[in-house]
Amino acid sequence: QKEVEQDPGPLSVPEGAIVSLNCTYSNSAFQYFMWYRQYSRKGPELLMYTYSSGNKEDGRFTAQVDKSSKYISLFIRDSQPSDSATYLCAMRVRGNEKLTFGTGTRLTIIP
Amino acid sequence: DAGVIQSPRHEVTEMGQEVTLRCKPISGHNSLFWYRQTMMRGLELLIYFNNNVPIDDSGMPEDRFSAKMPNASFSTLKIQPSEPRDSAVYFCASSPPTRRAKNIQYFGAGTRLSVL
Repeated sequence: QKEVEQDPGPLSVPEGAIVSLNCTYSNSAFQYFMWYRQYSRKGPELLMYTYSSGNKEDGRFTAQVDKSSKYISLFIRDSQPSDSATYLCAMRVRGNEKLTFGTGTRLTIIP
Repeated sequence: DAGVIQSPRHEVTEMGQEVTLRCKPISGHNSLFWYRQTMMRGLELLIYFNNNVPIDDSGMPEDRFSAKMPNASFSTLKIQPSEPRDSAVYFCASSPPTRRAKNIQYFGAGTRLSVL
């Protein structure tokens, strides 16, 4: 079993919809949780990160962590065609630089 | 800054040949990471360096893979001999020395490797 599980999709939603992307994990030592976005033929880039449980908002993006359920989410409000990309969750243990990634969810926003 | 620079962008080679991938991290960054991305396995960490020293190479698939970081501005990932199952996109990433920034890795554009 992988340490981080992520539904690969693909996921297609109409422009303006709210998007929910999710990951589950098995390693309770993970304390930092990140979401990276990867456009086609590009390297991943960091969207946002959170530490421990709770919510964090950045513009149209909200990251949510539930450590008791080992479940993290990324919500995108008012989705735009430019949000079409693959979204990867990533996690790390405090004191260790190694990131463990989910396989990524491919998202398409339909105009 | 130009970001993380990887070369070549594309590499097509025949089974059994040696392949060398190159990476120049962002100036001032002290950690460097090599990843491999495939559809089946996603993004996997192969090895990472801190201050030019290999810290964790547990993701290196086998002895055919080797990585070096002779100085703070250059790293190589070598595959010898290459096999068709090595076909993937290989990414290099770097991160700055501040503690909070360890969540932020800056990725290069990747090298798309095809082994025939």
